[in-house]
Amino acid sequence: KQEVTQIPAALSVPEGENLVLNCSFTDSAIYNLQWFRQDPGKGLTSLLLIQSSQREQTSGRLNASLDKSSGRSTLYIAASQPGDSATYLCAAPTSGTYKYIFGTGTRLKVLA
Amino acid sequence: GAGVSQSPSNKVTEKGKDVELRCDPISGHTALYWYRQSLGQGLEFLIYFQGNSAPDKSGLPSDRFSAERTGGSVSTLTIQRTQQEDSAVYLCASSRDSIEKLFFGSGTQLSVL
Repeated sequence: KQEVTQIPAALSVPEGENLVLNCSFTDSAIYNLQWFRQDPGKGLTSLLLIQSSQREQTSGRLNASLDKSSGRSTLYIAASQPGDSATYLCAAPTSGTYKYIFGTGTRLKVLA
Repeated sequence: GAGVSQSPSNKVTEKGKDVELRCDPISGHTALYWYRQSLGQGLEFLIYFQGNSAPDKSGLPSDRFSAERTGGSVSTLTIQRTQQEDSAVYLCASSRDSIEKLFFGSGTQLSVL
């Protein structure tokens, strides 16, 4: 059974800082891993998808890495901005399936 | 449509009533998911459809919950004899194929009084 954990649960940083969000998963035989952001009262927006054969994926100021052997993924946000304030969720599927299990998220607040 | 559409956006019902929640996925997307998010909680997997394969229903919390997907497109999640603990935001997502990004709708906020 896949379990996904995200640390820290909440994070508050001043604008301009680089930061790292962590995601760990127990079942490492995954096809891929996805990162999302959720703004209050809204649905989820896909940020990055990393296939199992990849180690990194980049989009703008975001960089996600995947280490299947250790069951970890990190989301790196460069030069954070107040508009980055949101909850960030990672999702990993149960092995051999595409049933995505979500972590409980990291609530990020970037202070101007 | 341009994105995943869910209706209604809000639903208030009385305990014991049945409700139907609708999801219109992005055109051409073969995979469709239903999740539930209770206040302050993470996303709980409910059910997953992929093409014409049998759905993965392993996340449905009780036999009061059911879902169908007609013609490989629109999906309906039905909750019978609603209970107060069913109150949550119900989110639908679709993807072009299971290996690709999930796109979420804005959800249906269900309140059971």
